Parts: sequence; C-alpha cells; structure tokens
Amino acid sequence: GAVVSQHPSWVICKSGTSVKIECRSLDFQATTMFWYRQFPKQSLMLMATSNEGSKATYEQGVEKDKFLINHASLTLSTLTVTSAHPEDSSFYICSARDMLAVYYNEQFFGPGTRLTVL
Amino acid sequence: GQQLNQSPQSMFIQEGEDVSMNCTSSSIFNTWLWYKQDPGEGPVLLIALYKAGELTSNGRLTAQFGITRKDSFLNISASIPSDVGIYFCAGLDQKLVFGQGTRLTINP
Repeated sequence: GAVVSQHPSWVICKSGTSVKIECRSLDFQATTMFWYRQFPKQSLMLMATSNEGSKATYEQGVEKDKFLINHASLTLSTLTVTSAHPEDSSFYICSARDMLAVYYNEQFFGPGTRLTVL
Repeated sequence: GQQLNQSPQSMFIQEGEDVSMNCTSSSIFNTWLWYKQDPGEGPVLLIALYKAGELTSNGRLTAQFGITRKDSFLNISASIPSDVGIYFCAGLDQKLVFGQGTRLTINP
C-alpha cells in the first residue's frame, strides 16, 4: 500500500513553455501533498504544501505564480511550471500524506519527474 | 529556517563492512526519519523514529532517536552491493526537513 505515482517521469521542453506534472496517491486518500525540488547532488527542498480544496502554501523564495499547484481531489495534485527556463531544470518529487494512517504525519514519495528545459 | 547537518557526506567502504551515519539539528523534532534514494528515484522510507531514545531495527539497519530530540544515527551492518545509494535523514514537525545526504559507495 501507500503508493504514489508521478507523471511524466521525465520531460524535455523548450524555454518559455509550461509543463504540468501530476502526482497521484494510488491506494489512499491524501488531503495534503508536498512538492519538492532536488538539484543534482543536493538534498530535497520543499517548494510548497498542497491542500485539497484550498490554496497551496509556498515556501519562502518559491514563486507561486511560476509554480502553480492545484489539488483538486484527494488523490491528485498537479504542479505546473509556467514559462519554464533552463534554471528550472531539476528533479521534482511529490509526496503524499495518508489522512487515515496511524502515523498520519508520514509522507510517501513519488518516483520523481526529471524536467529539462532547453 | 531549520537545518539538519548530516555526516559524513560520502563513504567508500568494502562490501561486508558496517556503516554509520548521523544527523544533528539545531532544533527539536518529534519524529526522525531515514530514507534511501536510488538514482532517478524518489526517497524510500527505511526507518521511522517516534520517541526520544527509541532504538529501531529493520533488518540490517538500526536507527536511534537521540534523547535530546536533536539528533539521530543510522547504522547498516554487513553492507551489500544493493546498499549503494544516498541516505537522507529527515526531521518531521509539520513538514519534513532533510539532511544533505550521505552517498554510500561499496567496493566489491
């Protein structure tokens, strides 16, 4: 149980275009999902917390107009990188919190999405 | 903001050796987690620690939650090739804060 999927697993796009990444909890419901960014050989940095039915909470320094987050259902959150630039190239990882888990704070991670902006 | 200091940054060991890595924090966490990340994949939870002083094992892995709630260590005994990867500690409050990672390389 507790499987999180991401789609696509990798994407290459031209500078200036927008890219949407999906995060799904496959076998549980998640009122809260998290989006992380990981640059090569670095740790995971939290970008934003996505709450079902409400606005996302962004970490300091993360542009909310550039990284649009939508959490329309208990199993799906999307991250849209708008007007992507080469510096946005990174590994984007989502996680989901199982609202019914005994240890409800536990997060389950997706496999990540490799974004390359040319 | 909160930061975790994880050490060592990298380890090069022989197969069969034991491994030890640790994490310290400037602030208290109520939960400590240890993850392993393989290249191109998301982190996978190895061990979760919920109580100060708790010592928990998962196969060849053992982790402890420090009494002060500001530190944790992870030990891997009798390393095997599939242990290769990056290990992250993480402190959990309302959100996860990750350490910088320990890259483990094993020479056969």
